[in-house]
Amino acid sequence: AQTVTQSQPEMSVQEAETVTLSCTYDTSESDYYLFWYKQPPSRQMILVIRQEAYKQQNATENRFSVNFQKAAKSFSLKISDSQLGDAAMYFCAYIRADNAGNMLTFGGGTRLMVKP
Amino acid sequence: DVKVTQSSRYLVKRTGEKVFLECVQDMDHENMFWYRQDPGLGLRLIYFSYDVKMKEKGDIPEGYSVSREKKERFSLILESASTNQTSMYLCASSLTYTNTEAFFGQGTRLTVV
Repeated sequence: AQTVTQSQPEMSVQEAETVTLSCTYDTSESDYYLFWYKQPPSRQMILVIRQEAYKQQNATENRFSVNFQKAAKSFSLKISDSQLGDAAMYFCAYIRADNAGNMLTFGGGTRLMVKP
Repeated sequence: DVKVTQSSRYLVKRTGEKVFLECVQDMDHENMFWYRQDPGLGLRLIYFSYDVKMKEKGDIPEGYSVSREKKERFSLILESASTNQTSMYLCASSLTYTNTEAFFGQGTRLTVV
């Protein structure tokens, strides 16, 4: 079974600075998707960024980018120019891509605090 | 926009009660999931369904059952609620194959007393 590990329960960053959240995963599959989700205090989970395993290029969405290291099974999230609204729980997630009936597996989460 | 709606944001039930948590999505998604969220443990999958009347156990199915009679609705059932089932419950849905982004409901905080 696949597992997703986030080793940083809490992180803090000064407003306008850059922070990197870590995620590692374990799988024997070659084709899969990885995600970073954000859960603000309102509780609504929203997708931040997604990476297809077959793509070597790292995904980027505005101030959010990932460092995807397939061989190392590492998928970190970098937030540039941090804003107060970035404060939230961040979850890394994994799903196989080959067929239906696949489980979406999450890590334990990292709470990000942004200091003004 | 995709909408996933959970029937309650807060729920208080007594030990031994049968509890139904309802989830409805409006985008014709094949996959639907029920997660439980506890501090430090992240989201743990209880059950998921990839089609009507199809269900698969997740990581922590004990004490729970599910029902999916229609594509848009996925119900989580606590047959006999216990205090250790006090938690946040999140429902999600997604398309299969190429678009695997999951969309979440707002969550139900269940307290069993």
